[in-house]
Amino acid sequence: DGGITQSPKYLFRKEGQNVTLSCEQNLNHDAMYWYRQDPGQGLRLIYYSQIVNDFQKGDIAEGYSVSREKKESFPLTVTSAQKNPTAFYLCATSGRATGDTEAFFGQGTRLTVV
Amino acid sequence: AQSVTQLGSHVSVSEGALVLLRCNYSSSVPPYLFWYVQYPNQGLQLLLKYTSAATLVKGINGFEAEFKKSETSFHLTKPSAHMSDAAEYFCAVSEGRGGYNKLIFGAGTRLAVHP
Repeated sequence: DGGITQSPKYLFRKEGQNVTLSCEQNLNHDAMYWYRQDPGQGLRLIYYSQIVNDFQKGDIAEGYSVSREKKESFPLTVTSAQKNPTAFYLCATSGRATGDTEAFFGQGTRLTVV
Repeated sequence: AQSVTQLGSHVSVSEGALVLLRCNYSSSVPPYLFWYVQYPNQGLQLLLKYTSAATLVKGINGFEAEFKKSETSFHLTKPSAHMSDAAEYFCAVSEGRGGYNKLIFGAGTRLAVHP
């Protein structure tokens, strides 16, 4: 089936650890995005990528890193520098990076610091 | 910069009643606007979008929204609520005009539907 796969669905992180969230898509979309969702705050953009080997910081990039080595994959690493990482993380893609194009979302990864 | 305000973080309606979820935007250019729905612990699903064609936009599951430039609004409506409509709804405006499509989201409105 075509779609966006995020894994794992639930992730627990200890203080000081880096963790990586996976996002894979088979929609052949060029643009990929990572959003963070906190209760009552909507979604905030962490990083985005328009093409392979290129990515840009979003509004809340501090404490996060990404890579885009393949068109299908856009993993997000939550580093120990991110002081409040507990949140719901959503990966999205869009077929064209133009304003009238909707984004398609994965099912999300819920990260909890323990 | 674009922004989105959703009035009412929680809305409660009876089954069969009208659903009205409010969204106001600010944008320095003609906007592209979207409504998404999110069920618990899931991703977002597109309900409908406005891209400057018709001002009344029909979406999935019986929802529609009307773009009113004079009021800078894009409210979401459904004539008759169903229990399955209970979810969180997000309004978003696109900041992209080329290059990339950055969506700016409102804080969301949680819709409860009671019998």
